[in-house]
Amino acid sequence: GAGVSQSPSNKVTEKGKDVELRCDPISGHTALYWYRQSLGQGLEFLIYFQGNSAPDKSGLPSDRFSAERTGGSVSTLTIQRTQQEDSAVYLCASSSVGAFAGELFFGEGSRLTVL
Amino acid sequence: AQSVTQLGSHVSVSEGALVLLRCNYSSSVPPYLFWYVQYPNQGLQLLLKYTSAATLVKGINGFEAEFKKSETSFHLTKPSAHMSDAAEYFCAVKTRGSTLGRLYFGRGTQLTVWP
Repeated sequence: GAGVSQSPSNKVTEKGKDVELRCDPISGHTALYWYRQSLGQGLEFLIYFQGNSAPDKSGLPSDRFSAERTGGSVSTLTIQRTQQEDSAVYLCASSSVGAFAGELFFGEGSRLTVL
Repeated sequence: AQSVTQLGSHVSVSEGALVLLRCNYSSSVPPYLFWYVQYPNQGLQLLLKYTSAATLVKGINGFEAEFKKSETSFHLTKPSAHMSDAAEYFCAVKTRGSTLGRLYFGRGTQLTVWP
């Protein structure tokens, strides 16, 4: 597709369950980002992938959170043993290498609700 | 690390009135600066960006922002608000000289436009 695609768009789960959120970036974009958006908290950086380099995981809030990017394209964010405070919109973005890198293209997000 | 402050989590204006959304950054070296807009239930999209050229940057939908180094500011303005401008606006910064890497976002400002 032409834009960043995220699935599912909405996910309701019970506390303690694991969830997987998927991001399909724009074709050819080598950089991929995950952000979390909570009400009144703005955008919280989670993790950043760039090509074959080691990802920047400095924003992951706990070891329950992990992410991988297979084949330099699709990424999956996994949250294990979900907690109510994990409820948020998880946004994925991608960007290309270039002089104006930093122009991120965002997906519509995956809204996670933990009951 | 970079940081960015958006003064005012909510701004309300009447249709036709001036829109002013404030953004200040903290960095000894002027960073790259961005404004993103998020319409309801959508991902973020780029409004405008400052890289190193003119300090007055024009973006989409009639918005513009002026980089003021002395004030470490990058405020967003629009001379005449339209109902369709109602959205959340995010200021973001990225370290100059880094072609890749994460953006640091402010907490966002919700703009309401009254008829």
